[in-house]
Amino acid sequence: DAGVIQSPRHEVTEMGQEVTLRCKPISGHDYLFWYRQTMMRGLELLIYFNNNVPIDDSGMPEDRFSAKMPNASFSTLKIQPSEPRDSAVYFCASSSPYRGSWDNEQFFGPGTRLTVL
Amino acid sequence: KNEVEQSPQNLTAQEGEFITINCSYSVGISALHWLQQHPGGGIVSLFMLSSGKKKHGRLIATINIQEKHSSLHITASHPRDSAVYICAVASPNTGNQFYFGTGTSLTVIP
Repeated sequence: DAGVIQSPRHEVTEMGQEVTLRCKPISGHDYLFWYRQTMMRGLELLIYFNNNVPIDDSGMPEDRFSAKMPNASFSTLKIQPSEPRDSAVYFCASSSPYRGSWDNEQFFGPGTRLTVL
Repeated sequence: KNEVEQSPQNLTAQEGEFITINCSYSVGISALHWLQQHPGGGIVSLFMLSSGKKKHGRLIATINIQEKHSSLHITASHPRDSAVYICAVASPNTGNQFYFGTGTSLTVIP
């Protein structure tokens, strides 16, 4: 298995532009998580899905952020319009349905490093 | 208010030393995770614990639910163990949320 795949690995954009980050979870995993990591705040959970349905988006910072999971093998995190304070590394992670629980071991993608100028 | 506190923040050790990283939390949890973040940025899950102790190679993780405390031990440390170690808790009491510690940066010197 290729693991969790994220694209792009690096993104540099200008303030005001739309940014779309992509994630392909491990096949068979039914939970998908989006995280943001900054030096100031560390790792933060933004949103997570179970069976393609958003379960908790309370970590999404504001309306400029949106996430979708149209099918079991693909999710997007969109920022529109982007701002310099959105600069961070965004990680996607997935976990298996073992124990049927949301708190299982997670497998992380390599992350997307976003820089907003 | 930090739901998860880790100590120390930074740790430097000589190769071969026994290392302990501590994690305390203030919320009710269903599971605690130890993550390793490599210098290149990749994150790997080391352990998931809900009680007792787990061992994998030179790594041992323990948890005391009553004291709301977990420790990660590394025996016979090696320079390749140099990384940031992050404690995370899964809390069903607050709407199935994950809370993360700020991480412990470990450097093992040859």
